[in-house]
Amino acid sequence: NAGVTQTPKFQVLKTGQSMTLQCAQDMNHEYMSWYRQDPGMGLRLIHYSVGAGITDQGEVPNGYNVSRSTTEDFPLRLLSAAPSQTSVYFCASSRRGPSGNTIYFGEGSWLTVV
Amino acid sequence: KQEVTQIPAALSVPEGENLVLNCSFTDSAIYNLQWFRQDPGKGLTSLLLIQSSQREQTSGRLNASLDKSSGRSTLYIAASQPGDSATYLCAVPQKNYGGSQGNLIFGKGTKLSVKP
Repeated sequence: NAGVTQTPKFQVLKTGQSMTLQCAQDMNHEYMSWYRQDPGMGLRLIHYSVGAGITDQGEVPNGYNVSRSTTEDFPLRLLSAAPSQTSVYFCASSRRGPSGNTIYFGEGSWLTVV
Repeated sequence: KQEVTQIPAALSVPEGENLVLNCSFTDSAIYNLQWFRQDPGKGLTSLLLIQSSQREQTSGRLNASLDKSSGRSTLYIAASQPGDSATYLCAVPQKNYGGSQGNLIFGKGTKLSVKP
């Protein structure tokens, strides 16, 4: 199993450009989510999905879109990049269950918007 | 709104020392609590998951305890090694954002440095 795979690992964007951060998992997890990590702010939830075809907003969704057409993939789209979106982005997945879930994280995507 | 706090923000200890990292949360109605490790430039790795009905969980040299009534968890690392140097984060499920199924609110972490 590869676990959770994120691409690209590093990206530099100009203000106003759009791009997609890719996330794929091979563990057949129903639940996937995107977080951003900023110094002094910790990790914050952007969007999440409870299964294919179902997505919802997290704490900081503005400027980002997601879709979930398959169980495996959960891409994060930046519509018009802004310097405030400079951050490290983490995709995570977990198995559905009532008794608590171990969460698996990708290795992160470092995004700089200039 | 649930808030998770970790103290201290940074900790430096000599190799071999036993140490305790602290995590507190404001809303005691949690499903579970997780401890993670993050190495520089890497993602997070889950270390221990404690269910709300449990008092503690152990994995090797790591022991995590949970006291829901006081809103606190501790991560105990025995006989610390330089390889333990990393940032340790605790997290609890977010009630507003599918918390029962895995979305989390994180503390800001404790950066641990173990010196040889």
